[in-house]
Amino acid sequence: DADVTQTPRNRITKTGKRIMLECSQTKGHDRMYWYRQDPGLGLRLIYYSFDVKDINKGEISDGYSVSRQAQAKFSLSLESAIPNQTALYFCATSDSLADGDTQYFGPGTRLTVL
Amino acid sequence: GNSVTQMEGPVTLSEEAFLTINCTYTATGYPSLFWYVQYPGEGLQLLLKATKADDKGSNKGFEATYRKETTSFHLEKGSVQVSDSAVYFCALSDRDSWGKFQFGAGTQVVVTP
Repeated sequence: DADVTQTPRNRITKTGKRIMLECSQTKGHDRMYWYRQDPGLGLRLIYYSFDVKDINKGEISDGYSVSRQAQAKFSLSLESAIPNQTALYFCATSDSLADGDTQYFGPGTRLTVL
Repeated sequence: GNSVTQMEGPVTLSEEAFLTINCTYTATGYPSLFWYVQYPGEGLQLLLKATKADDKGSNKGFEATYRKETTSFHLEKGSVQVSDSAVYFCALSDRDSWGKFQFGAGTQVVVTP
């Protein structure tokens, strides 16, 4: 089984809909991250969480919210989706007590907003 | 702020050719440097990393040396295979910024038989 899983893997939705992307990990890591990937822009950080009670905005948090339900689960929500949120979304984890510099990525969720 | 600049792609090579992907960075602290690889339809996988100046990271025939004097971390492989076709991302993690990553835009590499 994969260490970092994301659901759904693909989603097509309409403008104005609320969408939730979920991330689960079995690595036992304390830190979790959400990124979006756009062609030619690399990955940009949306939100990050260093433990269950610590949530922080990244560089592009507008239009997104997150929930850290447990150490192993970190969800990303789009309250009212818009077309320019069409992108590939990645969840990542890291372990602050081990090789905290290294992040491990899920397989991604491809979101299309029509 | 921190930034990572890597060469634009696509880079197209024949099998067994030498590959170099340039990466330079700007950081206010003492970053760790990484190369990640993304194969088609997959997430990013750590390829190699270096945590201090003059360190050399290596994996699967790829190498990169942390050059503080030139703020560079260029990726090299001596003989590429078709299976190396992927997008390669250079990234830094600045401990002064609580371990947050900054990624380059990615370089697509296409290796033809």
